[in-house]
Amino acid sequence: SAVISQKPSRDICQRGTSLTIQCQVDSQVTMMFWYRQQPGQSLTLIATANQGSEATYESGFVIDKFPISRPNLTFSTLTVSNMSPEDSSIYLCSVEDALNYEQYFGPGTRLTVT
Amino acid sequence: DQQVKQNSPSLSVQEGRISILNCDYTNSMFDYFLWYKKYPAEGPTFLISISSIKDKNEDGRFTVFLNKSAKHLSLHIVPSQPGDSAVYFCAARRYNFNKFYFGSGTKLNVKP
Repeated sequence: SAVISQKPSRDICQRGTSLTIQCQVDSQVTMMFWYRQQPGQSLTLIATANQGSEATYESGFVIDKFPISRPNLTFSTLTVSNMSPEDSSIYLCSVEDALNYEQYFGPGTRLTVT
Repeated sequence: DQQVKQNSPSLSVQEGRISILNCDYTNSMFDYFLWYKKYPAEGPTFLISISSIKDKNEDGRFTVFLNKSAKHLSLHIVPSQPGDSAVYFCAARRYNFNKFYFGSGTKLNVKP
């Protein structure tokens, strides 16, 4: 399985600011995914990021709020823009193992917006 | 619309006994199901999966059962160990689609 790292592991941010979360994978992958897990909730897919193309966003998530970059096959960033306390969540990136139909997750970024 | 549901937010079991975690889904097009385990401050880790062509898959102490007619799956852990204490998420997908649908999780506490 792929080894995935995320930076930062946690942050406390002020309302109205933006935070960029980095996701690094130890192997080349076609698709990367960004999820949000709000307190006590399930994992919700924000968007799917393919290298070389625009990210595909799920219903309820927009590019202006969550811009994503995917410059190469091992790296992606998610920016949480103009943050409000409702954005306080754990943000997770994942990659798919196409052979096994499984997804592997990074350790997550715990974001608190005050 | 929550297509995958875990109706028990928590479960407490004595060490050595069986833990049974349940999951229900609504979409009959799902054909692959997975269980993930999540410790605090870590990302979910893959545990076990099952294809819709099977009704049981076993891996060591972990067994997943699938009842397609009831749209229900369960994870059995036998025997339960204190290190199994974590939040367990079930997930579902369709083979040709990348999107996973996750339940809200069940927090398992295995008491020594």
